[in-house]
Amino acid sequence: AAGVIQSPRHLIKEKRETATLKCYPIPRHDTVYWYQQGPGQDPQFLISFYEKMQSDKGSIPDRFSAQQFSDYHSELNMSSLELGDSALYFCASRQAGAKDTQYFGPGTRLTVL
Amino acid sequence: KQEVTQIPAALSVPEGENLVLNCSFTDSAIYNLQWFRQDPGKGLTSLLLIQSSQREQTSGRLNASLDKSSGRSTLYIAASQPGDSATYLCAVKRGTYKYIFGTGTRLKVLA
Repeated sequence: AAGVIQSPRHLIKEKRETATLKCYPIPRHDTVYWYQQGPGQDPQFLISFYEKMQSDKGSIPDRFSAQQFSDYHSELNMSSLELGDSALYFCASRQAGAKDTQYFGPGTRLTVL
Repeated sequence: KQEVTQIPAALSVPEGENLVLNCSFTDSAIYNLQWFRQDPGKGLTSLLLIQSSQREQTSGRLNASLDKSSGRSTLYIAASQPGDSATYLCAVKRGTYKYIFGTGTRLKVLA
């Protein structure tokens, strides 16, 4: 069965650079969630999209932005990267009406040097 | 604001022991509660999902219970094995169905 795809799986950037993380949801899933998990921390909700519109917002820095495209994939854009942005970024997808079934991707590990 | 806490933060046990991991949450208005397993540097593996109307769920050696009124869930692992070593996260689902994760329990089962 198809799963949530995230790319890249690993990313190394310098401070003040920009990074773009991509998430491809499971086919027919229309809702995407982004989470950030710092070293030794629990995952924290960043932002979610439903039908290409932002549906909820968590502790996402102003330097980050995200969007969902017409094919339902989502991109998380991170600018002016800081050392503290180093984390594992998870994407999860869900099909509207199926509130129980949310599937997580393998994550993108971002390292900021 | 929903807060999810897990106790203990870390646990080291000999192989074969039965374990109880605890999760508590401050707001009982949840859709469901889910237990995940995370190996170091890896993604999240779903273990058990308990609906807000349910009291428990079982899968193999795992049993999870939910007491919504008291804001508690427990994950019971029977006959622990070294392969069970991982971090266990509980998460409650609310609002726009986003997860709020607990602080995690880091489990090490010694052979």
